[in-house]
Amino acid sequence: GAGVSQSPRYKVAKRGQDVALRCDPISGHVSLFWYQQALGQGPEFLTYFQNEAQLDKSGLPSDRFFAERPEGSVSTLKIQRTQQEDSAVYLCASSVSPIYEQYFGPGTRLTVT
Amino acid sequence: GQQLNQSPQSMFIQEGEDVSMNCTSSSIFNTWLWYKQDPGEGPVLLIALYKAGELTSNGRLTAQFGITRKDSFLNISASIPSDVGIYFCAGQDTDKLIFGTGTRLQVFP
Repeated sequence: GAGVSQSPRYKVAKRGQDVALRCDPISGHVSLFWYQQALGQGPEFLTYFQNEAQLDKSGLPSDRFFAERPEGSVSTLKIQRTQQEDSAVYLCASSVSPIYEQYFGPGTRLTVT
Repeated sequence: GQQLNQSPQSMFIQEGEDVSMNCTSSSIFNTWLWYKQDPGEGPVLLIALYKAGELTSNGRLTAQFGITRKDSFLNISASIPSDVGIYFCAGQDTDKLIFGTGTRLQVFP
């Protein structure tokens, strides 16, 4: 596709449920990033992949958050046992390499009730 | 998490006016980027800056990479209604982007 796509666009989960958020990067982009954006804030870094290797997961807030990119293309961000503080927009971005511009998808708005 | 200081926090201007906003950091960055975000959408890249002192334009937008590498400025000339949105600066720290707190722009006809 022409841009980064994410699904679902909206997700409502009950506290304690597991969720999986999907990201399809721009074709040919080897670098993929996940960010979390709380209401009224700028995005905050969660994790980074170079192809299938997860090179930086320093921003993941707890061990309930897990990301994978098994074939170096599509990525999934999984949140286990969701809590209310996990409510946010989760943004995915991709780039041709880590030092070049990152292009963002539309985000998944997660609401935990 | 770390966020860069961006000012002003919000601006209310009339169509046709010029706009200036800036972003400061306590850390040095080698790349500065400016994004615009509309409600319900992801950030859209406006301008990327790679060299200290660099001045880059994209249509009515002009951005500068501060000489100290700790700040950046964005100017919008002759604003139009579609300029409404939230503008974010971001500094690139190796692999990750560190974002500013955002400037919300409202344009009145």
